[in-house]
Amino acid sequence: GAVVSQHPSWVICKSGTSVKIECRSLDFQATTMFWYRQFPKQSLMLMATSNEGSKATYEQGVEKDKFLINHASLTLSTLTVTSAHPEDSSFYICSAPRTSGRLGQYFGPGTRLTVT
Amino acid sequence: GDSVTQMEGPVTLSEEACLTINCTYTATGYPSLFWYVQYPGEGLQLLLKATKADDKGSNKGFEATYRKETTSFHLEKGSVQVSDSAVYFCALNLDASGNTPLVFGKGTRLSVIA
Repeated sequence: GAVVSQHPSWVICKSGTSVKIECRSLDFQATTMFWYRQFPKQSLMLMATSNEGSKATYEQGVEKDKFLINHASLTLSTLTVTSAHPEDSSFYICSAPRTSGRLGQYFGPGTRLTVT
Repeated sequence: GDSVTQMEGPVTLSEEACLTINCTYTATGYPSLFWYVQYPGEGLQLLLKATKADDKGSNKGFEATYRKETTSFHLEKGSVQVSDSAVYFCALNLDASGNTPLVFGKGTRLSVIA
């Protein structure tokens, strides 16, 4: 069935380096995907809406130059955390709409980023 | 704006106890309502949904009824198991096309002890 995958599932990187997280829709096309960030024991915070073939729409307070989003195809969106710092350590989750908004969304399994 | 309010956790129950997690919403239109569950270290999974008033969503023994008059979508289960320990999120979506993100509540952590 239709699912959303993320890669990697967890990553540890050094401060100052960049990390790319992939979000793929399997068995369906997603012109829109959403990227969320989740701090420990907290709810999901929407970071941006990724649109295939156009620029992402970022939420207020999210640095677009730090969190680069590219939606190059109908099945792949990537989030690159540039010049990562320890405060960027978090759980990043992507999602894609089901065929109808009334059916909810498919969520990826999440990527845990730890910046040392 | 649209919002979801759910009861604060954490909630700790003994196995086979009854569960209710309250969820109320504020929306300008007629949203679809969802409960998602997040097990430790994992992403979110759709637990159940309801798309119109008086609809009842159900799955894995969990139920929730879309109550338009009280703008509520409370999650219930008659007998919880240890495996139900997770974080539960109530959410809504006003956009039938699906091209807008869900609006989430803050989540309620449930711990079930044997």
